[in-house]
Amino acid sequence: GAVVSQHPSWVICKSGTSVKIECRSLDFQATTMFWYRQFPKQSLMLMATSNEGSKATYEQGVEKDKFLINHASLTLSTLTVTSAHPEDSSFYICSARDGVAYGELFFGEGSRLTVL
Amino acid sequence: AQTVTQSQPEMSVQEAETVTLSCTYDTSENNYYLFWYKQPPSRQMILVIRQEAYKQQNATENRFSVNFQKAAKSFSLKISDSQLGDTAMYFCAFMKRQGAQKLVFGQGTRLTINP
Repeated sequence: GAVVSQHPSWVICKSGTSVKIECRSLDFQATTMFWYRQFPKQSLMLMATSNEGSKATYEQGVEKDKFLINHASLTLSTLTVTSAHPEDSSFYICSARDGVAYGELFFGEGSRLTVL
Repeated sequence: AQTVTQSQPEMSVQEAETVTLSCTYDTSENNYYLFWYKQPPSRQMILVIRQEAYKQQNATENRFSVNFQKAAKSFSLKISDSQLGDTAMYFCAFMKRQGAQKLVFGQGTRLTINP
């Protein structure tokens, strides 16, 4: 099946710094990618929809300037957490849609962010 | 807006038993997909089974089957002959067929299979 890879899988940073998380579709072209946030023992909450070559669409309540999303190519989307604070510590998961396999979404392994 | 509700936060059964996880949803859409995803301790989301709303036949994947009741907006997952490897969080999810294809997840059910 299709593979989506996230990097890094775990990152620790100091408060006030910025962190970039990458999401790559390895064997298909993803015109649309999605970014989710998951707190411990909770469900996945959609943060934004990332479309190749255009601005991301953010869900209500998600700060655009805080969580910068770039989808510069059909195989790569990045999420940058700017000026990170401890409350941004969470598990971030991306998923990608294969335009050929209609309705099928593939998930990355997730990235755990810890802000000290 | 669509909502997905899983009313069982935790469930526990013995190995080889059959277990059913409940899911209800609310939508005004007529064309949509429903999914069950498994999230083991590794946190990797794994698709268990998918149902297309226009199909009346319940989806089946080996030991996993669903009971899709469109009128009642119910979508339960049955796991037969449960195995230790089935221990995980299970999320029910909804996706409109048209548009951005965003997944809306339920709260999850933590399933433990005991030896």
